[in-house]
Amino acid sequence: DTGVSQDPRHKITKRGQNVTFRCDPISEHNRLYWYRQTLGQGPEFLTYFQNEAQLEKSRLLSDRFSAERPKGSFSTLEIQRTEQGDSAMYLCASSLSPDSLHNEQFFGPGTRLTVL
Amino acid sequence: GEDVEQSLFLSVREGDSSVINCTYTDSSSTYLYWYKQEPGAGLQLLTYIFSNMDMKQDQRLTVLLNKKDKHLSLRIADTQTGDSAIYFCAETIGYQKVTFGTGTKLQVIP
Repeated sequence: DTGVSQDPRHKITKRGQNVTFRCDPISEHNRLYWYRQTLGQGPEFLTYFQNEAQLEKSRLLSDRFSAERPKGSFSTLEIQRTEQGDSAMYLCASSLSPDSLHNEQFFGPGTRLTVL
Repeated sequence: GEDVEQSLFLSVREGDSSVINCTYTDSSSTYLYWYKQEPGAGLQLLTYIFSNMDMKQDQRLTVLLNKKDKHLSLRIADTQTGDSAIYFCAETIGYQKVTFGTGTKLQVIP
């Protein structure tokens, strides 16, 4: 399978614990995006990388959230001191730097986080 | 502003046409997209339209764009039960993030 993969698919944690999610993009894609989707809502942008550089962060990304893409390939999203409001589906997407403005993003299956 | 709005729910009979509507507020949008999300699955890009186009047809899908009213629609001809899913309208400005609507749940009644 050469699509975007995410691990784990499901994570249940207790409030106050730290969690880390991993995303493996499509291998030749240099852009990687993180989104959060809560029940009944569309995905909301969190942050994106071009290669290893984090170029934009949403104001939704509080100090408890950190994302890395150290070698420009896979990425990790860490949430420290989780809160119940962090419960959501965390989606990763990747794309190639477009020649045009069309930026087709390919999405992974997501990691569903439940904070008890 | 970057709000993208959709109606929450649409129910149609199998074989009928479905029309899902979307309004957006950012006139700088360059590309507009329709994504499909099935339960337990990731988002699947169905089709997209460049902002200088009025219409795009792709097999059973027809996208209409009214830039003056900032209105986008997706028509699915001969709707099938396999089309049951949540459909998201989305916009992008430049190369960066995609801003999604709230999603429309399409229910196809056999």
